[in-house]
Amino acid sequence: QVQLVESGGGVVQPGRSQRLSCAASGFTFSSYAMHWVRQAPGKGLEWVAIIWYDGNQKYYADSVKGRFTISRDNSNNTLYLQMSSLRAEDTAVYYCARDPYNGVCDYWGQGTLVTVSS
Amino acid sequence: EIVMTQSPATLSVSPGERATLSCRASQSISTNLAWYQQKAGQAPRLLIYGASTRATGIPARFSGSGSGTEFTLTISSLQSEDFAVYYCQQYNNWFTWTFGQGTKVEIK
Repeated sequence: QVQLVESGGGVVQPGRSQRLSCAASGFTFSSYAMHWVRQAPGKGLEWVAIIWYDGNQKYYADSVKGRFTISRDNSNNTLYLQMSSLRAEDTAVYYCARDPYNGVCDYWGQGTLVTVSS
Repeated sequence: EIVMTQSPATLSVSPGERATLSCRASQSISTNLAWYQQKAGQAPRLLIYGASTRATGIPARFSGSGSGTEFTLTISSLQSEDFAVYYCQQYNNWFTWTFGQGTKVEIK
């Protein structure tokens, strides 16, 4: 069955960097675009970034553009989110999600919490 | 950016009753709309895509309708496991996917 498992969350100081990972299994990872979506505590869902199945195209929300980088390793079935210059407003649960169709997210990981605080 | 507005913010419904949730887009999105269910402490789950197509394994009591700017998610007979927060998402504008703020369905 499809499984997505995020890791790498934790407490990080403002201005520092953090890298999140998402290990995929149960499907042909290299055939699907993948998203990162985040959710601040008690708030709604916010799309963060997408990477094409082959890694050749990447797009970001304006709120993270220039600070976050999405990447993937299809040989190891892993998705990444490199976050830099972190701000308090980046505090959220970060989910990875599979995209079978133009932006629909059909499977989600359980999420990893990133807390930006001094 | 397309703004998605959901109403009501909270819906109080008794088990067995029908629930009707609304989602409005700030501009036409054709039928490029998805609905997700999120229970407390869990990841979202895809319910509906293409405005009206149920995702794999979703019970028939969930149905979606609408096109353009007005959309509805209907739960025909609420079960205990259906009390959750529901989000709509537009995927008409690529690279700027946006979600509604959510509707919480609570037990009356």
